[in-house]
Amino acid sequence: GQQLNQSPQSMFIQEGEDVSMNCTSSSIFNTWLWYKQDPGEGPVLLIALYKAGELTSNGRLTAQFGITRKDSFLNISASIPSDVGIYFCAGRYMNRDDKIIFGKGTRLHILP
Amino acid sequence: DGGITQSPKYLFRKEGQNVTLSCEQNLNHDAMYWYRQDPGQGLRLIYYSQIVNDFQKGDIAEGYSVSREKKESFPLTVTSAQKNPTAFYLCASSGLAGGSPQETQYFGPGTRLLVL
Repeated sequence: GQQLNQSPQSMFIQEGEDVSMNCTSSSIFNTWLWYKQDPGEGPVLLIALYKAGELTSNGRLTAQFGITRKDSFLNISASIPSDVGIYFCAGRYMNRDDKIIFGKGTRLHILP
Repeated sequence: DGGITQSPKYLFRKEGQNVTLSCEQNLNHDAMYWYRQDPGQGLRLIYYSQIVNDFQKGDIAEGYSVSREKKESFPLTVTSAQKNPTAFYLCASSGLAGGSPQETQYFGPGTRLLVL
């Protein structure tokens, strides 16, 4: 099955730095979702986006639904140790059934 | 508390054995999903069900089977035909109940399956 292109694959940052990651698709989406997964746990929904151009925040997290409907980004400001984990984007194509496509994830590491 | 539960947390399978992973939700969601996650990989869809007594194959259905006899339950059986079953299995649900847009999926805590 088709997958999203999510980048970067991994990131190593210092505590307090801002983080940015993004996903792109070759087809138009009508929904973008961002999840975080801790080791050995299920993904937890962070932000859901339903309209092109939509910019939504959840605490230190901000995500945007790209105007072209083919991309989305997630920013984390002032990173803290508990931000460590894998971040997944997910999207649903327009005019498709209810299946959602997931990116391969961005693994965030915070250096001591 | 409302949510999705999966059991067991860890499961061991012997060669040639079928095993069943449990997934239960009390969110009143119509749709339920099973995903497989391998190390360093994204989530791959095994099966999904949008309504009771109906389900569809996902991208990697071979060697797996499911049933949807009740709205709350969507068990996954890993059959002996699945030659590489070691993975982390995630169940999810979505629906209009509680105002959740149908596109938004919520995940259970996962079951890690290991082959002996």
